[in-house]
Order: sequence, then structure tokens, then C-alpha cells
Amino acid sequence: QVQLVESGGGVVQPGRSLRLSCAASGFTFSNYGMHWVRQAPGKGLEWVAVIWYVGSNTYYADSVKGRFTISRDNSKNTLSLKMNSLRVEDTAVYYCARAPKTTMIDYWGQGTLVTVSS
Amino acid sequence: NFMLTQPHSVSESPGKTVTISCTRSSGSIANNYVQWYLQRPVSAPTTVIYDNNHRPSGVPDRFSGSIDSSSNSASLTISGLRTEDEADYYCQSYDNNNLYVFGTGTKVTVL
Repeated sequence: QVQLVESGGGVVQPGRSLRLSCAASGFTFSNYGMHWVRQAPGKGLEWVAVIWYVGSNTYYADSVKGRFTISRDNSKNTLSLKMNSLRVEDTAVYYCARAPKTTMIDYWGQGTLVTVSS
Repeated sequence: NFMLTQPHSVSESPGKTVTISCTRSSGSIANNYVQWYLQRPVSAPTTVIYDNNHRPSGVPDRFSGSIDSSSNSASLTISGLRTEDEADYYCQSYDNNNLYVFGTGTKVTVL
């Protein structure tokens, strides 16, 4: 069955960096686009970034563009999110999610919590 | 970029029908497919509708989606409401620049 397991969350000071990972299993990882979506405490869902399987094209929300980098390693079935210059407002649960095509997400991971605080 | 606005909350009794709206602020709702996600407390979201009106396997046909170009909105209808339907629901769409947007979210309460 499809499994997406995020890791790498934790407490980090403002201005520092953090790398999140998402281990994928149960499907052919290289055939799917992958998203990162986040949810601040008590708030709604916010799309963060997507990476496609064709050419590994990447796209970002304006709120993270220039600070976050999404990448994938198809040989290790792993999705990553490198987060630089973290801000207090980046505090959230970060979900990785599978995209069988551009229009939809079909599976979500359980999320990893990132807390940015001094 | 555009926004997707949903009612903050809706409530109804078991067995009844609720409809949640999702209004797009700019650009035509018909130009890009709309998805709907359900999120129960302290859980990850799950997909209930994709491409406006398609249900993933395993989602009961009590859930249906539609769009209305006249109001530039999408709707999720849940019929035969059950206690397990109590959750937050989010619509989602995108634009032609590969930017994705989630709706503001609606809390469904089963009275």
C-alpha cells in the first residue's frame, strides 16, 4: 500500500535551516509528482511546493520562494524540502503528498512538525 | 494569485444533506479542476473529490462535487450525513502557472 513518511521536523531558531524528508513506498515513486503542504497550528492548509516527475520541474508558493528548495531522489524514493532563513511564521505541520497528475493529490503523509522559535 | 473562500462552518443533523461552497476570487472556476479534502482532528487530510466531481475508490457516493460558472464556485455535497463526516473540509485548485491554492476550510458539525 502507498506509504509516505515524513521526518526531520523539530525546533529551530529563526534564520536557521532545516531539511525535511519524505520516504515513499508502495508505488513507483518516479512516476508521480510530489507536493509539500503545510498547516500552521489551528489554521488551514497552505500549499508550499511541487516537483514533477518530468524534468523535475519545481514550483513554489510566494511565501517560501527563494528560501525553500524541493528536490527528489528517485533512486532512494525520497522527497526533500530544504528550508533556509526560517521565520516564526513557517511554524507548521509539513505534509508530503502524492500527485498522480497536475490536478490532484491522492495520498498524504502523516506530517512532521516544524517549530521556529527563539 | 486567486483565493478560494469557503463558509467557516456548517451544521446539520444526521441523515440530512449539507452543501459546502468554494468561491474563486479571480479567474474562472471552470478553467482548472477543483479538489476536495477531508481532515479529521489530529489527522492528515484525505481526498474525497478530484477533478470537480470524481470520487477516489473507497469514498462513498454520499459525497459529490460540482461547479457553477455563474457564481464562479464549486460545491461539495454530503448526503445522508453521518457522525463520522464531522471534520474540516478544504477545496483546492490551481492556476496555469502551476500555483496551487487551498480554500479557507469549512468545519462540518453533525448535530
